[in-house]
Amino acid sequence: GAGVSQSPSNKVTEKGKDVELRCDPISGHTALYWYRQSLGQGLEFLIYFQGNSAPDKSGLPSDRFSAERTGGSVSTLTIQRTQQEDSAVYLCASSTLPGWGYEQYFGPGTRLTVT
Amino acid sequence: RKEVEQDPGPFNVPEGATVAFNCTYSNSASQSFFWYRQDCRKEPKLLMSVYSSGNEDGRFTAQLNRASQYISLLIRDSKLSDSATYLCVVANDYKLSFGAGTTVTVRA
Repeated sequence: GAGVSQSPSNKVTEKGKDVELRCDPISGHTALYWYRQSLGQGLEFLIYFQGNSAPDKSGLPSDRFSAERTGGSVSTLTIQRTQQEDSAVYLCASSTLPGWGYEQYFGPGTRLTVT
Repeated sequence: RKEVEQDPGPFNVPEGATVAFNCTYSNSASQSFFWYRQDCRKEPKLLMSVYSSGNEDGRFTAQLNRASQYISLLIRDSKLSDSATYLCVVANDYKLSFGAGTTVTVRA
């Protein structure tokens, strides 16, 4: 079946511009996660959505970052006024249910470069 | 201090060799442990869970030492296709904490 998809696969933007990154989770998966992977670094948790519950935004690095999930499916991560330190691969993952017992399936990521 | 720390390697080994590496984690309340595999410029994929009693999956053996807070992975009879970065992952409820990864290169 279809896996997690993300778009765009690559995004180059100028410092100060806003960007939107999209994630389509696996159909039926109720939990959705965003992570960021900088060069040579481990994945950094950003935000978590579960059903209609309030999202866990504790990992968002600044108020320039926001995310939403519409209709319990597609999610969009928005970065406003991008900075060079925002350059990274942004990975989305989904799982059937939340919790450590449920495997998180990752999308291919969006490689963001801020010039 | 990072929540999960790993030796970045790289470990360069010949085909057929055994390679082992580990990671340490800082949160003693961590609930579950995993090894993920990440190929170059690809997304991470679950390799195996790590259980307290240790577990094997084919050529891969994982061990957990809760008292010392470290997790290990051993690969026997290495194949060229084992070349990848191995991510140590620690879970607390739905939150996964990732190490930066250990790079393994298997040469012919």
